[in-house]
Amino acid sequence: GESVGLHLPTLSVQEGDNSIINCAYSNSASDYFIWYKQESGKGPQFIIDIRSNMDKRQGQRVTVLLNKTVKHLSLQIAATQPGDSAVYFCAVRDGGSYIPTFGRGTSLIVHP
Amino acid sequence: EPEVTQTPSHQVTQMGQEVILRCVPISNHLYFYWYRQILGQKVEFLVSFYNNEISEKSEIFDDQFSVERPDGSNFTLKIRSTKLEDSAMYFCASSGEWAFFGQGTRLTVV
Repeated sequence: GESVGLHLPTLSVQEGDNSIINCAYSNSASDYFIWYKQESGKGPQFIIDIRSNMDKRQGQRVTVLLNKTVKHLSLQIAATQPGDSAVYFCAVRDGGSYIPTFGRGTSLIVHP
Repeated sequence: EPEVTQTPSHQVTQMGQEVILRCVPISNHLYFYWYRQILGQKVEFLVSFYNNEISEKSEIFDDQFSVERPDGSNFTLKIRSTKLEDSAMYFCASSGEWAFFGQGTRLTVV
């Protein structure tokens, strides 16, 4: 089955810094990748997605990078704000299923 | 903005009792899911539902669990005889391109 892991369980940054959250996946057939943000007591909230035919996708203050060679993706948050403090999950979907499989989660702590 | 709604937000039940968790998915979505999240752990897939039947389920989704779409809007998860280890947040999701999640139901089994 799909195995999705994260390199760091907790990331602490200063307000205004850029944050990078990493995720590794194991299934080379994965074709769709999603980053979710989960604030305390809430459900996962979609941030940004990327398909396997892309290497990079940018949103508002967020960028996702995909390296299919090493099965790694990252979420970059520019000018991190206290409101960005949350747990961030990568979720991976393979071409044969609509079901996203979640990684373990990285807790981002932003210090003012 | 469309959203997935779940009720109740918190459910406390005694071990061995049946619980039904309710969800209203986004109206034009075709795929529906239940996930659970034990405190401090990752979000785990339970079951997906498409075209009025289960399309995939995980090993967590045993005979104690069932799902139903009783009408055109609701999507329910039933746990027949709850165990202490069923205590978790249960998230409903529905998807078009990507999955939208509800705010969750916190189930506490005592």
